[in-house]
Amino acid sequence: QAGLTQPPSVSKGLRQTATLTCTGNSNNVGNLGAAWLQQHQGHPPKLLSSRKNNRPSGISERFSASRSGNTASLTITGLQPEDEADYFCSTWDSSLSVRVFGGGTKLTVL
Amino acid sequence: EVQLVESGGGLVQPGGSLRLSCAASGFTFSDHYMDWVRQAPGKGLEWVAHIRNKAKSYSTEYAASVKGRFTISRDDSKDSIYLQMNSLKAEDTAVYYCARDTYGNDYWGQGTLVTVSS
Repeated sequence: QAGLTQPPSVSKGLRQTATLTCTGNSNNVGNLGAAWLQQHQGHPPKLLSSRKNNRPSGISERFSASRSGNTASLTITGLQPEDEADYFCSTWDSSLSVRVFGGGTKLTVL
Repeated sequence: EVQLVESGGGLVQPGGSLRLSCAASGFTFSDHYMDWVRQAPGKGLEWVAHIRNKAKSYSTEYAASVKGRFTISRDDSKDSIYLQMNSLKAEDTAVYYCARDTYGNDYWGQGTLVTVSS
């Protein structure tokens, strides 16, 4: 099953802006968008943005999601030490009828 | 408050079986689609199985890696989903999470560890 493509790692400085990408195809990201999840070591994932680019209550406005064609993006502004985590994108593949995840991006805040 | 609590994990020999449970509370369980997602040690997230609601005939979907070996089910009277895992392999070793599906997995349990080893 084809997954979504994410860069393995991104490093940015404190208070800078990081943009994480997630590339799929017309059957998944291009058709249905992508949800974004944050996972700290030893904890379950937490939803940051739904496939409709809606932020759940309690999620900082510093996190914003968007999509262009088959690529989804998560932008994190004003990076804080607590933003250091693994970030996963996920969506449904309408052709394969499976959920697909990206391999994850490890964000390091310098 | 939405809560998902998994149970049933443990150590099992290759070829063995295990049944995971996930008890939900804090929302109208019967309305929602649900997923099982796993994470092998030090690895990323891997979707395992999906079950829809009564309106969609409780239809199911599976990852290719578990199709024919795992079965997802639900009991709306108990606000629970289950994962019956048969013919377990070493590569099934992972933390198994249940997660609610609302345009993405918006709530997750804490996970239950399944270790397949002799």
